[in-house]
Formats: sequence, structure tokens, C-alpha cells
Amino acid sequence: AQSVTQLGSHVSVSEGALVLLRCNYSSSVPPYLFWYVQYPNQGLQLLLKYTTGATLVKGINGFEAEFKKSETSFHLTKPSAHMSDAAEYFCAVRVVYTGANSKLTFGKGITLSVRP
Amino acid sequence: DVKVTQSSRYLVKRTGEKVFLECVQDMDHENMFWYRQDPGLGLRLIYFSYDVKMKEKGDIPEGYSVSREKKERFSLILESASTNQTSMYLCASSLSLLSYEQYFGPGTRLTVT
Repeated sequence: AQSVTQLGSHVSVSEGALVLLRCNYSSSVPPYLFWYVQYPNQGLQLLLKYTTGATLVKGINGFEAEFKKSETSFHLTKPSAHMSDAAEYFCAVRVVYTGANSKLTFGKGITLSVRP
Repeated sequence: DVKVTQSSRYLVKRTGEKVFLECVQDMDHENMFWYRQDPGLGLRLIYFSYDVKMKEKGDIPEGYSVSREKKERFSLILESASTNQTSMYLCASSLSLLSYEQYFGPGTRLTVT
């Protein structure tokens, strides 16, 4: 069964510092992986996705993630944190359940705080 | 621009009441989803639908039902609300079975007292 693990529930960084949010996956088929962001009092918004091809994926707002099959990881990074990056971040993996039908399974989420 | 709307942002209901949560998307998407979001548990899939009048159970369907009579509308029904159904409910849609990107509504925070 496909699943994702996000270790820890909260990460705090200083403004301008590197952001690193970890995600490890488990999948019996080639995984499709996603990062979503949820700002306070809003729904989720897609940051980036990996399906096939280039393993370094760039997303919105300066975020990127690298698919590493050998490490079963898809960590999210941003070189320099901004106050507006404070939000909750979710990693997700596609789950194939019958034929071509699929859905997403989400991790528990990580709250990012940015200190001035 | 893609848009998913939910009928209420905040809802307070009493134990035992029948509760309807409505979701509408204006993108002609095939698939629609209902999740609940709880602190420390992330998003958990309740039900989803890949076509009008079709529905599939997600990971936590107990105590819920759904209805999809029109392509753009997907309703979540709590037949008899209980306090353990107090949560944030998120609706999402995606274009097709091969399109994995889901678009989310703003959520409905339901409190059952």
C-alpha cells in the first residue's frame, strides 16, 4: 500500500534561512508525489508535483523538491524563508486502487513557522 | 480560474441532527472528494466520486454518506451528527482519473455540540 511519512509536526526557521521539510514515501509502484500548502483559514493549494521525468521539481513561491528513489524521499526545500511561508505543508502520494482509478493519500502535515 | 466552493465556512449543529455539507466546482471536473482534517491526523478521505451518481468509500466512511446528482455538486451527509464528527471538512475536485492534481475548497469547520 502506498503511504507517506512526515516526521515531526512543527518546524521553525528564521527569516532568510533554509527551509527543509521531510517526506518519505512507501509505494509498490512508481510513485507520483505531491506537496500541498495550506495557509491559515484556507484550503490546500498545490505547490509542486513529481510524476515522471526530471527528479528535481520546481514549484511555486521558490519551493522545490527532489525525488530520490534510493532514499524513498521527496523532501521540500526553499533556500531563503519568507514570513509569508508560514503555513501547514502536506506531502501526498498517488494510490492506485483499481485499474486506472487513483486517489491521494496525505501525510499528517508539518507546520512551518518563520521567525523575524 | 479554478474554483471550488463550500456552502458554509462555519457550522454549529446539535448531536443527532442531520447535516448537509455542499460542495460545488465550476471546472467540469469528473472527480470530487470529501476529506476531514484533524490536528495531528492530516487529511483523511471520507468518500469520493468519479462520475455522477457514482461513489466510492474512502478511508473513514463510517457515519457519513454522499450524493452526487449533478456533475458540479457533491454533498456530504451526516445522518445523525455526533461530537466526534467535529472537524474541518474539505472538498476537492480533479479533472479526470489521470489528472492527479486536486483543487480544494476553503473548508467548512463543523462543530457538533
